[in-house]
Amino acid sequence: AAGVIQSPRHLIKEKRETATLKCYPIPRHDTVYWYQQGPGQDPQFLISFYEKMQSDKGSIPDRFSAQQFSDYHSELNMSSLELGDSALYFCASSSTDRTYEQYFGPGTRLTVT
Amino acid sequence: AQKITQTQPGMFVQEKEAVTLDCTYDTSDQSYGLFWYKQPSSGEMIFLIYQGSYDEQNATEGRYSLNFQKARKSANLVISASQLGDSAMYFCAMREIIGTASKLTFGTGTRLQVTL
Repeated sequence: AAGVIQSPRHLIKEKRETATLKCYPIPRHDTVYWYQQGPGQDPQFLISFYEKMQSDKGSIPDRFSAQQFSDYHSELNMSSLELGDSALYFCASSSTDRTYEQYFGPGTRLTVT
Repeated sequence: AQKITQTQPGMFVQEKEAVTLDCTYDTSDQSYGLFWYKQPSSGEMIFLIYQGSYDEQNATEGRYSLNFQKARKSANLVISASQLGDSAMYFCAMREIIGTASKLTFGTGTRLQVTL
């Protein structure tokens, strides 16, 4: 079965640089979520999109922005990167008729040096 | 605000034995969902099992079962016949419904180590 695809899997950036993370949800899933998991931490909700509209916003810094495109893929844009942004970034997807099934992608490990 | 509590930072279990990972939650919502995810050292988050607040029967998925006690607000994960491959971090999470979306709030996790 198709799963959530995230790219890149690993990313190394320097402070103050910009990063773009991509997420391709499971086919026919209309909702995308972004989570951030710091080292040794539990995942924290950042933002979600339903049918290309932002549906909820969590603890996402103003330096970050995200959007969902017409093909339902989503991108998380991170600017002015800080050392503390080093984390595992997960994308998850679900469909409105089965919202209890929220499947996660493999994650993008971002390292800021 | 919703809250998930996992009081066991680490657990050991012998291979082939059963183990229970604890999870308690706090919410004022009448409708909610509880999840368990497994995170091996490779980092991915693997969905294990789901329990809806209105489900009368405890959820089961293969060797995983969820001991749901609504009055106590607990949703413990039971893994039967543990295998070495079960060694991982396990997160309990609660679904908060926002319109058509549902974000998850996670507990701090329990690291399970299966020994020979």
